[in-house]
Amino acid sequence: SQQGEEDPQALSIQEGENATMNCSYKTSINNLQWYRQNSGRGLVHLILIRSNEREKHSGRLRVTLDTSKKSSSLLITASRAADTASYFCATKAGGTSYGKLTFGQGTILTVHP
Amino acid sequence: DTGVSQDPRHKITKRGQNVTFRCDPISEHNRLYWYRQTLGQGPEFLTYFQNEAQLEKSRLLSDRFSAERPKGSFSTLEIQRTEQGDSAMYLCASNSLDREGLMYFGPGTRLTVT
Repeated sequence: SQQGEEDPQALSIQEGENATMNCSYKTSINNLQWYRQNSGRGLVHLILIRSNEREKHSGRLRVTLDTSKKSSSLLITASRAADTASYFCATKAGGTSYGKLTFGQGTILTVHP
Repeated sequence: DTGVSQDPRHKITKRGQNVTFRCDPISEHNRLYWYRQTLGQGPEFLTYFQNEAQLEKSRLLSDRFSAERPKGSFSTLEIQRTEQGDSAMYLCASNSLDREGLMYFGPGTRLTVT
């Protein structure tokens, strides 16, 4: 079953605007990861944040993690049409010795040129 | 291209037929995973191999499903007596011990059961 929920389910913005997606999860985690999936294709890893980290940056991406609220957000700044994709958060549960991930339902982002 | 590859990319089959998918992971990765993704949902874990050993299977993996990784390299996922509910994208991923669960996914095999 899915670990949690992502909000919003769909987001439509203009090129140059910022996009924020939120993810909630249910159990304790070791880390949380964000993936991007273009239409009909495999997932590409974007960024990983460990449970003892609160914020992480990678290029135009900013991820925050609040373990007390069991939530994370992904901010994409200065969006581009090429950012159009589905975005998924995925959690690695604490106590697991391998990389099994539990994914959210995803946010569909559309960036209009 | 040294990424994860999957074959075939698309498979259309009639209900009741058997199908087999293949996954070739990144060569230095000793862990291999199968996930299933239905339309509008995130991927769901099916099973995991470390080298040739299958270490965990999800309850989603019914008796009709079997996965192998005979030499610790490529893996196959077989579905016997397919049902319409098996229609989905089947994703393979791989990683290695030192990557904190960071996984590299293949493009997937889209199965349609008619």
